[in-house]
Amino acid sequence: DIQMTQSPSSLSASVGDRVTITCRASQGISNYLAWFQHKPGKAPTSLIYDASSLQSGVPSKFSGSGSGTDFTLTISSLQSEDFATYYCQQYSSYPLTFGQGTKVEIK
Amino acid sequence: QVQLQESGPGLVKPSETLSLICTVSGGSISGYYWSWIRQPPGKGLEWIGYIYYSGSTKYNPSLKSRVTMSVDRSKNQFSLNLTSVTSADTAVYYCARETSGAAWHDYWGLGTLVTVSS
Repeated sequence: DIQMTQSPSSLSASVGDRVTITCRASQGISNYLAWFQHKPGKAPTSLIYDASSLQSGVPSKFSGSGSGTDFTLTISSLQSEDFATYYCQQYSSYPLTFGQGTKVEIK
Repeated sequence: QVQLQESGPGLVKPSETLSLICTVSGGSISGYYWSWIRQPPGKGLEWIGYIYYSGSTKYNPSLKSRVTMSVDRSKNQFSLNLTSVTSADTAVYYCARETSGAAWHDYWGLGTLVTVSS
């Protein structure tokens, strides 16, 4: 199985901050990486697919980059609605695997 | 807007079978792969497997011996059965849709907590 390692596991940030989350795959996955957001009590929502493609309807403050084993999710200017847990997921091969999540909290 | 809703017992006894249904609304179940994913309390997400609308399946090898998935196109539903459960199967169970042509998930359910306890 491909192991996905996210860092940090949590971070505190202020409204307006630029936030970067990293995800590392245990082997190369090309660009077969997705990012999604999860808020308590809500269904997870897709943000990014193919490492850098923005899902329809997702604001452009979210961006993704990377290829191979190292990937990043960036939120350009954090807003109150962005405080949530973010996950990466590889879909290069089955079984699909996920990062352990990064919880973004208010400073 | 596609919506998914998990349903089923919130409490299952050890050694029994966990059974969940996912109801899809706002879109057809046809043409897509449908996944089950779970998250034990305080732990990471685990992909359980998928079922295609036609009925073909792929399961996580870690659970393959205990998992069965099925689909009911007439009801726009798909289901998960997990046999011989233990406390390690206590988790929030999510159903989700794999987007067409790639195995990332564009729609998820809210999730349902299933506790395994006597």
